[in-house]
Amino acid sequence: DQQVKQNSPSLSVQEGRISILNCDYTNSMFDYFLWYKKYPAEGPTFLISISSIKDKNEDGRFTVFLNKSAKHLSLHIVPSQPGDSAVYFCAASGGNLIFGKGTKLSVKP
Amino acid sequence: GAGVSQSPSNKVTEKGKDVELRCDPISGHTALYWYRQSLGQGLEFLIYFQGNSAPDKSGLPSDRFSAERTGGSVSTLTIQRTQQEDSAVYLCASSLFGLATNEKLFFGSGTQLSVL
Repeated sequence: DQQVKQNSPSLSVQEGRISILNCDYTNSMFDYFLWYKKYPAEGPTFLISISSIKDKNEDGRFTVFLNKSAKHLSLHIVPSQPGDSAVYFCAASGGNLIFGKGTKLSVKP
Repeated sequence: GAGVSQSPSNKVTEKGKDVELRCDPISGHTALYWYRQSLGQGLEFLIYFQGNSAPDKSGLPSDRFSAERTGGSVSTLTIQRTQQEDSAVYLCASSLFGLATNEKLFFGSGTQLSVL
């Protein structure tokens, strides 16, 4: 059974608008969450993280929100740019680092 | 080196053959990880090396899979008697201290393995 779920395999957004990528997890022992971005034929690169003691972390255009009671986190990108088009992986740490299946974001000019 | 280096970038093999995939982590990183991504799937954890500790092999899918890390640096992932379901992108990552410190991982570009 998947411990980290990204239920939307793809998302299409207009340039300049907000992109919201969602992630749900099942294990309440997870204490650290990360988002990675992956372009084709490249390895994933770290984007932003959040500790379970926080509910928000912001870095430029990227903000991650954590709702522990709902076991849900989201990544907001605003404004979205065509260069943000990639696959975004949510990951949770509690021993091993467990990844979701990813959401493919397409930002249209 | 400047980043995590993996070789080969692509490997095509016949069913039943053995393959070796190599990973050079970032210099000074004590932790090394192997993941794989099958088509349409997320990143599946395979094995984790941290310093001189015994590796966490809990993610290896079968006894055909093994990995070594020599001298605390370079790692080799070996798949014996490859099967078609082994076809995937095999990703290596490294980090400075390891999972207990909640660090970010630095990934290589992966090896695309195709088993015919």
